[in-house]
Amino acid sequence: GAVVSQHPSRVICKSGTSVKIECRSLDFQATTMFWYRQFPKQSLMLMATSNEGSKATYEQGVEKDKFLINHASLTLSTLTVTSAHPEDSSFYICSANSAGGPDTQYFGPGTRLTVL
Amino acid sequence: GENVEQHPSTLSVQEGDSAVIKCTYSDSASNYFPWYKQELGKRPQLIIDIRSNVGEKKDQRIAVTLNKTAKHFSLHITETQPEDSAVYFCAASRGNQGGKLIFGQGTELSVKP
Repeated sequence: GAVVSQHPSRVICKSGTSVKIECRSLDFQATTMFWYRQFPKQSLMLMATSNEGSKATYEQGVEKDKFLINHASLTLSTLTVTSAHPEDSSFYICSANSAGGPDTQYFGPGTRLTVL
Repeated sequence: GENVEQHPSTLSVQEGDSAVIKCTYSDSASNYFPWYKQELGKRPQLIIDIRSNVGEKKDQRIAVTLNKTAKHFSLHITETQPEDSAVYFCAASRGNQGGKLIFGQGTELSVKP
């Protein structure tokens, strides 16, 4: 089946530093990947749609200069949280469309970010 | 903008009973409706999905119904088991390649032995 990985699974950083999260599709090519943020006991909120070879599309209210997205290949998208602050602490999850099913999205295992 | 409402937010049932979770969506162009199960600290797992050209789909103890006219869809779990306990999310999208998912608020299902 379609497998999506994320790295790291957990990260703790100091306020003001930047953190990069990688999302990889392991056994399929993904022209589109999605980045979500999930706060405790809440739903998944779409942050941005990442398109290979082009600029990401950000949802309303998401600062594109703070959450940098790069989708340089058909199997890798990265999210960089710049100048992280404690309020950025959250569970970040990526997903990708499987080549076999245009509608189906498969999720990565998520990255738990804690900003001190 | 697009919105998906999900009810109830919590649901507690006895083992063996049925559980029903309902969602409504606002975007009439939506035509793909997946359901995800998420255990604490884990990734959402797709459990069933339905497209707008059908009204019902079943997979063993899980079924989903769709009413496009009323813009609502429901998840039905029969013969619930303790391992069904998790948070369930509905979602809707326009279904094209790269179509973004709009998620409901989630339902925390608890199945008591």
